[in-house]
Order: sequence, then structure tokens, then C-alpha cells
Amino acid sequence: GENVEQHPSTLSVQEGDSAVIKCTYSDSASNYFPWYKQELGKRPQLIIDIRSNVGEKKDQRIAVTLNKTAKHFSLHITETQPEDSAVYFCAASFTNAGKSTFGDGTTLTVKP
Amino acid sequence: DAGVIQSPRHEVTEMGQEVTLRCKPISGHNSLFWYRQTMMRGLELLIYFNNNVPIDDSGMPEDRFSAKMPNASFSTLKIQPSEPRDSAVYFCASRGGQSTDTQYFGPGTRLTVL
Repeated sequence: GENVEQHPSTLSVQEGDSAVIKCTYSDSASNYFPWYKQELGKRPQLIIDIRSNVGEKKDQRIAVTLNKTAKHFSLHITETQPEDSAVYFCAASFTNAGKSTFGDGTTLTVKP
Repeated sequence: DAGVIQSPRHEVTEMGQEVTLRCKPISGHNSLFWYRQTMMRGLELLIYFNNNVPIDDSGMPEDRFSAKMPNASFSTLKIQPSEPRDSAVYFCASRGGQSTDTQYFGPGTRLTVL
């Protein structure tokens, strides 16, 4: 089955700096890669996703890049703000085929 | 759109008692997932259903756990008997409709077994 590894497990940045979280996956058939943000005591919520037919997607301060050959994808947050502090999860799946495999999460702390 | 609804939001029970968690998926979604989240083990998939049929229950920890989906708008996760190590946040998520890949999570049920 699919295996997703996520790094780093914790990340601390200064407000205004950029943050990068990386994930690798094992199943070359995976073609859908969402990122979820989970604030303390809340549910995971989708913040951005990418499909395997594109290499990059951007939404304001958040971007995701995908390297299908190397089987890794990354979340980039620019101009970080304290409200970006949360746990971020990556996931990989094959379209509508079943379950998603989640990474172990990255705890991002943005210091004001 | 009400989103995924879970009840109860908090449950405190004593070891040995039966616990039933409930989930109402988003209308029109045809896949439903049950997850358990703990600090030690992270986010674990317990079981998922497609069109009310259990597809993969390999994540269910043991026979004390069971899940049902009698219809498209309701699912239950039951623990009998409960143990202190079952204490966790249990999330239900659904997928389908126009967003066939994205899973939408419910608010979770925080279970404490004393």
C-alpha cells in the first residue's frame, strides 16, 4: 500500500519568514495530493490540493509543488503569520479509489 | 451546507462501558471514513465505507470496535467494552459529490475512558 513520509515533524519560524513542509510517497499510481491544516482542538481542513497533471498550484500565500518523478510534494507558506501556527498534514491517494494515506503531521509555530 | 455532523462532541465514560459515536455525512457524499487521533499515534484510519458498504476495516484495532452504516446519511462507531487506551479524538469524514477526492472532516468526538 501507499506510504507517506512527512518532514519536518516540527518547524518554528519568525513571522514574515517562509515555511516549507515536504512529503514523499511510495505508490506511483497516486494522483491526488491534499494538504490539511488542523488548529488546536479543531478538525483538519483542506487548504490546498494538487493533482498529478500539474506541477505547481498557488493560492495567495500558499503554494504546493509536485515532482512526480521523485514522488515528492511540498507545501510552501510565504509571509507567515501567527495564525498560520497549526499542524499541517499531507496526504496521497488515487482518484476516488478509496482511502487517502496521511503523513504524520508537521507542527508549525510562527513566532511574532 | 451543514457539513459533517458528529455526536456527541465529548464523551466521558468508565472502563467497560459501551460507547457509540455517531456521524452524519454531507448529503450526496458516497464515502465515509472513521479516524482516530492521538498524540502518540497521530491520525489513524479505522474503517471506510463506499455506498454504505465497508471496504477496508484493517485499521480497526480489535474486535471491541465495530462500525455500521445502515444508510447513506448515518454511521456509527461502537466500542464495547471501552478501555482507557481508547481515549482519543474520533473524526468522521465524508467524500463525494462534486469534490470526489476531498475528504471533509466532522468536528470530532473527544472520548475519555476513565
